[in-house]
Amino acid sequence: DAGITQSPRHKVTETGTPVTLRCHQTENHRYMYWYRQDPGHGLRLIHYSYGVKDTDKGEVSDGYSVSRSKTEDFLLTLESATSSQTSVYFCATGTALGGTEAFFGQGTRLTVV
Amino acid sequence: GNSVTQMEGPVTLSEEAFLTINCTYTATGYPSLFWYVQYPGEGLQLLLKATKADDKGSNKGFEATYRKETTSFHLEKGSVQVSDSAVYFCALSDKYNQGGKLIFGQGTELSVKP
Repeated sequence: DAGITQSPRHKVTETGTPVTLRCHQTENHRYMYWYRQDPGHGLRLIHYSYGVKDTDKGEVSDGYSVSRSKTEDFLLTLESATSSQTSVYFCATGTALGGTEAFFGQGTRLTVV
Repeated sequence: GNSVTQMEGPVTLSEEAFLTINCTYTATGYPSLFWYVQYPGEGLQLLLKATKADDKGSNKGFEATYRKETTSFHLEKGSVQVSDSAVYFCALSDKYNQGGKLIFGQGTELSVKP
């Protein structure tokens, strides 16, 4: 394992509240990613980071923001949670952007009620 | 843009049966191709990969060959076990297009019965 820890593992929150998910890695990988997994859609990229303070949008970034102040931590924030953001969220890390594998955390199951 | 299409599941097999999960891709460049596996309650793990045409990736009895002429990367195993029950994802990454980000298919659930 690449030493990727996600917290919390489960969360229930109310519509309209902000939520922050944390990803922590111990492998010193440069690249970090946030995906969401939904039935019938596989995994879709929300945001990614290619270094400290360097982030970019993925294909489903609306309603999400990220921050990376240290190599080891990558935070995903839902600014005002909606029911459509109920999903399983995965963090991943990698040593290069493209052509190489990514290492995944165990996921966070988020329910917005 | 680049995309990946997998056969729909769930796939249900008896132990020791032959497995094929189809995966085709669309890409403008020369992507690397991957199969990931997700066991219940866990994150994804890399199962195998291939980085250029005609490469064969293999691991734990699973194999897949990168076929550029048919834009396919089908996953096969000669004799499945109950422990192979999981969701399998095909993915591609092209470092010269779309920033090299991993693009996943929708996943195929495999259930193996004793």
